[in-house]
Amino acid sequence: GQNIDQPTEMTATEGAIVQINCTYQTSGFNGLFWYQQHAGEAPTFLSYNVLDGLEEKGRFSSFLSRSKGYSYLLLKELQMKDSASYLCAVRDLLGGADGLTFGKGTHLIIQP
Amino acid sequence: KAGVTQTPRYLIKTRGQQVTLSCSPISGHRSVSWYQQTPGQGLQFLFEYFSETQRNKGNFPGRFSGRQFSNSRSEMNVSTLELGDSALYLCASSLEGRTSSYNEQFFGPGTRLTVL
Repeated sequence: GQNIDQPTEMTATEGAIVQINCTYQTSGFNGLFWYQQHAGEAPTFLSYNVLDGLEEKGRFSSFLSRSKGYSYLLLKELQMKDSASYLCAVRDLLGGADGLTFGKGTHLIIQP
Repeated sequence: KAGVTQTPRYLIKTRGQQVTLSCSPISGHRSVSWYQQTPGQGLQFLFEYFSETQRNKGNFPGRFSGRQFSNSRSEMNVSTLELGDSALYLCASSLEGRTSSYNEQFFGPGTRLTVL
């Protein structure tokens, strides 16, 4: 089976940097995704990591360490619109092709 | 290119009834996955269809079923509804299948099901 843990809620200040951590346990790891979900909306793709290291995309970066079962999402120059839930999801090749296992999400609150 | 569409967007049913939800994937996408999202459990995987075949199934009872048509459109059905089935049901489509090493899923807006 799979187990994915991420903090329930975080608060940060506009203009600052925040790091959202995700730890996972899986038997056939084949990629880790980060999704953003605003209240009442569908999740939207942010990043994908399958190899160790940092992937940077604008204000967002995602890091993966497969040996540690650990990832983080880094958000820079925070804006009020970044207030949302951030979902960490793991793809397990042994479990199937495209059925991701999601963490329960981290609710990020941005304060002025 | 149109995104993933789901119908209906909102639905109210009573216990014991059954419901069918529909999902139309992005044109050209052959894989469709279904998820249930609740405040307590988060997003949970229901099942995935590819080329009209169920390829993977999550840990849900047999009351939850689905199918996929030749045009990749998919439906999921829940029979004998229970109060706990109240949730947002999301469908996601992706381009290819198992052999793809990177396969982003695009989510639809979801169907909000309320069971009274």
